[in-house]
Amino acid sequence: AQSVTQLGSHVSVSEGALVLLRCNYSSSVPPYLFWYVQYPNQGLQLLLKYTSAATLVKGINGFEAEFKKSETSFHLTKPSAHMSDAAEYFCAVSDHNNDMRFGAGTRLTVKP
Amino acid sequence: GAVVSQHPSWVICKSGTSVKIECRSLDFQATTMFWYRQFPKQSLMLMATSNEGSKATYEQGVEKDKFLINHASLTLSTLTVTSAHPEDSSFYICSARDQPGSVGELFFGEGSRLTVL
Repeated sequence: AQSVTQLGSHVSVSEGALVLLRCNYSSSVPPYLFWYVQYPNQGLQLLLKYTSAATLVKGINGFEAEFKKSETSFHLTKPSAHMSDAAEYFCAVSDHNNDMRFGAGTRLTVKP
Repeated sequence: GAVVSQHPSWVICKSGTSVKIECRSLDFQATTMFWYRQFPKQSLMLMATSNEGSKATYEQGVEKDKFLINHASLTLSTLTVTSAHPEDSSFYICSARDQPGSVGELFFGEGSRLTVL
């Protein structure tokens, strides 16, 4: 069975600081990995995805993530946080059966 | 990207009544849709996979008689919460892929917040 673990349910950074949200995965087959963002009372919006192409994936809003097989990680980063980045972030993994599983989520707070 | 729309976005009902939530793919055909449930400040829990023209596949622990799913067309899936009770209050989100059989991203509806009094 596949799963993802997000380390840290809440991350707080200052505006302009580096954002690092951690995600580790477990999968018996080469995984497909995703990061989604959720704003209050809304659905999820895709930030970026890894589907076995380049290991460094660039997404929207300046976010990027690097797939590291040796560490089974897919951490999300952004060089400089903006107030509008405050939201809930979910890491997800999918296999060839197209069944997607989500992590517990990390709430990002950006301080002025 | 593809658009998935849910309706209603929020609903309040009395205990014992049934509530239907619609999920539509607006600009693509979705042979498969997924229904998730999200409790406050928690992650999404997959409830069931809705397959057009056939019975839904429910996750372990999800009562299929409680949460009725119908996927009658390639653009519409419905979730009916039958005889709702306060513990059914939650945020329900549907999603779909615009490319069946491939590992594309999931497109999510806006979510439907159900409050059962």
